[in-house]
Amino acid sequence: EIVLTQSPGTLSLSPGERATLSCRASQSVSSSYLAWYQQKPGQAPRLLIYRASNRATGIPDRFSGSGSGTDFTLTISRLEPEDFAVYYCQQYGSSPLTFGGGTKVEIK
Amino acid sequence: QVQLVQSGVEVKKPGASVRVSCKASGYTFTTYGISWVRQAPGQGLEWMGWISAYNGNTNYAQKIQGRVTMTTDTSTTTAYMELRSLRSDDTAVYYCARDHPTAPYSIAFEYWGQGSLVSVSS
Repeated sequence: EIVLTQSPGTLSLSPGERATLSCRASQSVSSSYLAWYQQKPGQAPRLLIYRASNRATGIPDRFSGSGSGTDFTLTISRLEPEDFAVYYCQQYGSSPLTFGGGTKVEIK
Repeated sequence: QVQLVQSGVEVKKPGASVRVSCKASGYTFTTYGISWVRQAPGQGLEWMGWISAYNGNTNYAQKIQGRVTMTTDTSTTTAYMELRSLRSDDTAVYYCARDHPTAPYSIAFEYWGQGSLVSVSS
């Protein structure tokens, strides 16, 4: 099983600032099958990024993903008020599919 | 538009079983699979398993294998997840998500159900 470790656990930032979230895998993620999701309280997760760097439909270009192998990054270039939420990475290249523990982006 | 609509809140006692449904619309049901993901209160996301709506194949997470059964009804385009021998740590919101038709990997989860709360308490 691939274990995904997200850091930091909490990121305290102000609107307009840049957010950099990390996801490290215990072994290489097949074909860069790494996704990022945003989740707000009481809502289902929302797909932001797939295949490590591809934005999902309708996702603003302030969200970008990068990385390969075992190290992946989600960057939010300028935080908007609606971006404060919890972010999860997921590997879907091998079974069992696994998620990271999440990074909470909170308003400073 | 693609929609996954799940059944409602369930309150169960330890040792009981629960069945959660996920009604799909807006796409050809048998050309995709369905994964189930759960989230305990205040916790992260946990993948439970996958079923192909194409051929009925399943792949379950080892942690719950033996207690879970996933099925589909192609006539009603509905997927079901049954969990047996419920324990208090099964209390969670259960989500369905559209997945690959032939294997439980290689596509990310673009479409999710709204979630179904299952509460297990004596």
